[in-house]
Amino acid sequence: NAGVTQTPKFRILKIGQSMTLQCTQDMNHNYMYWYRQDPGMGLKLIYYSVGAGITDKGEVPNGYNVSRSTTEDFPLRLELAAPSQTSVYFCASSKQGNTEAFFGQGTRLTVV
Amino acid sequence: AQTVTQSQPEMSVQEAETVTLSCTYDTSESDYYLFWYKQPPSRQMILVIRQEAYKQQNATENRFSVNFQKAAKSFSLKISDSQLGDAAMYFCAREGGGATNKLIFGTGTLLAVQP
Repeated sequence: NAGVTQTPKFRILKIGQSMTLQCTQDMNHNYMYWYRQDPGMGLKLIYYSVGAGITDKGEVPNGYNVSRSTTEDFPLRLELAAPSQTSVYFCASSKQGNTEAFFGQGTRLTVV
Repeated sequence: AQTVTQSQPEMSVQEAETVTLSCTYDTSESDYYLFWYKQPPSRQMILVIRQEAYKQQNATENRFSVNFQKAAKSFSLKISDSQLGDAAMYFCAREGGGATNKLIFGTGTLLAVQP
């Protein structure tokens, strides 16, 4: 079982460039999330979605955009990359009524 | 702001010994879930154990158990018979509210296991 799959695993961006972090899950979970993990700071919620067509901001949404056109996919878009967006990004999913979240392997992004 | 606090940035334990990782949190809700996640060097986030706040009995999963003190808003993790594979970063987390399963994480405790 694939679970939650994120691509790419690593990426280096130049300041001002754009990119999309891909996330897909094959568990038919209706809830999906994007977190970022900075050194010594734990994980912070960027955006989340409770179903296709529904997204909402988390704790640190500035500089990011998301969409949820299907149950399976929840891409995260960085429009104008900044050094402050250097981080490890995790996508996760869970099923309504079950609190366990399943995480992808993470994407290490460096903005230079 | 709703917070989760892990006051021990690093801990060390001898193999086969017991170690306790501390966590405190704040919340205004009466029913919620609490979690401990393990993050080994592979970066994968792995659920270790979870506790529902209205359940008085402390959760256990094999060598992992919690000491949940609801009034004190304390949720510590005890690892018994520590193994080398337990070495990892451990994150405490609580539900963020709104029935969406979003999580609020602490800053983590890095556990080293000495042979």
